[in-house]
Amino acid sequence: DAGVIQSPRHEVTEMGQEVTLRCKPISGHDYLFWYRQTMMRGLELLIYFNNNVPIDDSGMPEDRFSAKMPNASFSTLKIQPSEPRDSAVYFCASSEQETQYFGPGTRLLVL
Amino acid sequence: GESVGLHLPTLSVQEGDNSIINCAYSNSASDYFIWYKQESGKGPQFIIDIRSNMDKRQGQRVTVLLNKTVKHLSLQIAATQPGDSAVYFCAENGDSGSARQLTFGSGTQLTVLP
Repeated sequence: DAGVIQSPRHEVTEMGQEVTLRCKPISGHDYLFWYRQTMMRGLELLIYFNNNVPIDDSGMPEDRFSAKMPNASFSTLKIQPSEPRDSAVYFCASSEQETQYFGPGTRLLVL
Repeated sequence: GESVGLHLPTLSVQEGDNSIINCAYSNSASDYFIWYKQESGKGPQFIIDIRSNMDKRQGQRVTVLLNKTVKHLSLQIAATQPGDSAVYFCAENGDSGSARQLTFGSGTQLTVLP
């Protein structure tokens, strides 16, 4: 299995632009998680899905963030408009039981 | 040891020595615990996990110990190698309504000295 796949690996954008991060979970996994990692706050859960349905989005910072999972093999995290404080590494993880498997992350820099 | 917060504890060990990384978890309702290794520029990688009905579990060169009485988790790495240098995170599953949701500690930076 290729593991969790994320794209792009790096994204540099200007403040105010829309950013879309993509994730392909491990086949057969029914849970998908989006995390954000910064030096100041560590690893934070933003939102997670079960069978493509959002279960808990209480970690989403504000309305500028949205996430979708149109099917079992694809999810997006969108930031519109982006701000410099959104700069972080964003991870996607998937699981079929408790063990979560992480992707390589998207390193986002908002100028 | 590890603590929730902004400070990242560090541990330096000589190559070949054993390493012990500690974690104090917060929720007595947690019944699943897991250790991840994160190398620079990579995502967290699963190392080993343990359920609350066990006190010890061994993998290849790694052992996880669970002390539920004092809510303490440790990761032991035998014969530490340079490739073990990374940030190590513990996580528990008891801080939310779903057993699938993990709460992560702030991590411990392990540096292996030649």
